Amino acid sequence: NAGVTQTPKFRVLKTGQSMTLLCAQDMNHEYMYWYRQDPGMGLRLIHYSVGEGTTAKGEVPDGYNVSRLKKQNFLLGLESAAPSQTSVYFCASSQIGTGDQPQHFGDGTRLSIL
Amino acid sequence: AQKITQTQPGMFVQEKEAVTLDCTYDTSDPSYGLFWYKQPSSGEMIFLIYQGSYDQQNATEGRYSLNFQKARKSANLVISASQLGDSAMYFCAMREPGGGKLIFGQGTELSVKP
Repeated sequence: NAGVTQTPKFRVLKTGQSMTLLCAQDMNHEYMYWYRQDPGMGLRLIHYSVGEGTTAKGEVPDGYNVSRLKKQNFLLGLESAAPSQTSVYFCASSQIGTGDQPQHFGDGTRLSIL
Repeated sequence: AQKITQTQPGMFVQEKEAVTLDCTYDTSDPSYGLFWYKQPSSGEMIFLIYQGSYDQQNATEGRYSLNFQKARKSANLVISASQLGDSAMYFCAMREPGGGKLIFGQGTELSVKP
C-alpha cells in the first residue's frame, strides 16, 4: 500500500538553482495538493489540481509552478530557488473535494536552500 | 476569510488521562468540513477524525472524539486514556468549498508524561 509517494525525501539546493518535486499516488484520486510547512505554522497550500490537466493557485503560489499531465502524478517546480523556500513540502490527494473524504499525505520532502 | 485558530501551542497530559485540544474556526459558508490530523516526530500527517457541518452528532473514532459546538464555531479534539504514543503535533483543519482545499491551524504540541 504505497498511497502517496514523494521524491526526493531530502534535498539541498543553492540559491538560483531549479528542481522538481515529484508526487505520485496509486489510489486513483482526482484531487491533488502541494503544501508547505514552516516552523511554528500549519500547512499552507501552494497549488492544487482537481483533475488531470488542471491546476490552480493556493494561498502561497509565488515562486512555484506545477503540472498534472497524468492523473497519478503532480509535480512541483522551483524555477529559481530562494532561501525563503526552505521548508518541508507535503503532497496530498483525495478522491473528491467534499464530504468526509480526508486528504492522504505523503511523508514530506525536506528542502533547504543555501 | 476562512480561518482556523488553535490557541494552545503546547499541552501536557498524564498518561491514561483525557485531554482536550482546542480549535475554533471562522467561515461564512454553511457547508464545511473539519478535520484533525496528527503529526508525530517522524513527520507524516495522519488523519484522525472528521466532522461535517451538518452532522447532528459528535464524531468519534476509537479514543478520539470531537466536541463540536457549531454556534460557538469550535471543534475541540478529545483524546481519552492518553498513551505515550499520542505525543505529537495535532492540527485542526477546515475544508474550503470548491477544490477541497484545507486551511490548517498552527497546531498544538501534545506531550504525554508517564
